[in-house]
Amino acid sequence: AQKITQTQPGMFVQEKEAVTLDCTYDTSDPSYGLFWYKQPSSGEMIFLIYQGSYDQQNATEGRYSLNFQKARKSANLVISASQLGDSAMYFCAMRVDSNYQLIWGAGTKLIIKP
Amino acid sequence: EPEVTQTPSHQVTQMGQEVILRCVPISNHLYFYWYRQILGQKVEFLVSFYNNEISEKSEIFDDQFSVERPDGSNFTLKIRSTKLEDSAMYFCASSENRGGYNEQFFGPGTRLTVL
Repeated sequence: AQKITQTQPGMFVQEKEAVTLDCTYDTSDPSYGLFWYKQPSSGEMIFLIYQGSYDQQNATEGRYSLNFQKARKSANLVISASQLGDSAMYFCAMRVDSNYQLIWGAGTKLIIKP
Repeated sequence: EPEVTQTPSHQVTQMGQEVILRCVPISNHLYFYWYRQILGQKVEFLVSFYNNEISEKSEIFDDQFSVERPDGSNFTLKIRSTKLEDSAMYFCASSENRGGYNEQFFGPGTRLTVL
């Protein structure tokens, strides 16, 4: 069975600091994708970054990067130079290629302090 | 930029009533999904839809739920007889394809409140 684990229910970070949000996953499927979404207090789900299981390099997207360690089954999100607008819930999700659905972690509530 | 839209943004209903949540996926997308998120909890998959039929569904998606693509643009989720525990945010999503990197684009959600 597939599973996503986010062990940090909440984090406080000082503005301009880098922050790492943890995500570990479990699947026996060799082909899968890992996604990070941001959910601000307004409720919408915003796609941030994607990492494929066969990608050789870690994904980057502006201030977001994904620290993908396949052997450890981890896909941590790194936000560099955090901003007040980064305060939100962050969800890690996985989709295996044999299925259609996204499987979600419980989320991490990130609060950026001025 | 194309986006997924959902209506209504908030629906309040009485227990036992039927509700229909509406979604307009991105026009060239072929795969459609419904997810729900009970307040403060994780997002849960309900159903995926492709080629006018359900391609995958979760245990949550029981006989009370149904989906339909009544025309070329809308994708609907019907709950036949709502229960208190159906209160949640319901997200519609669509993707161009299924395998590999295929981002699921999410709509803004419909907040369903069952009284």
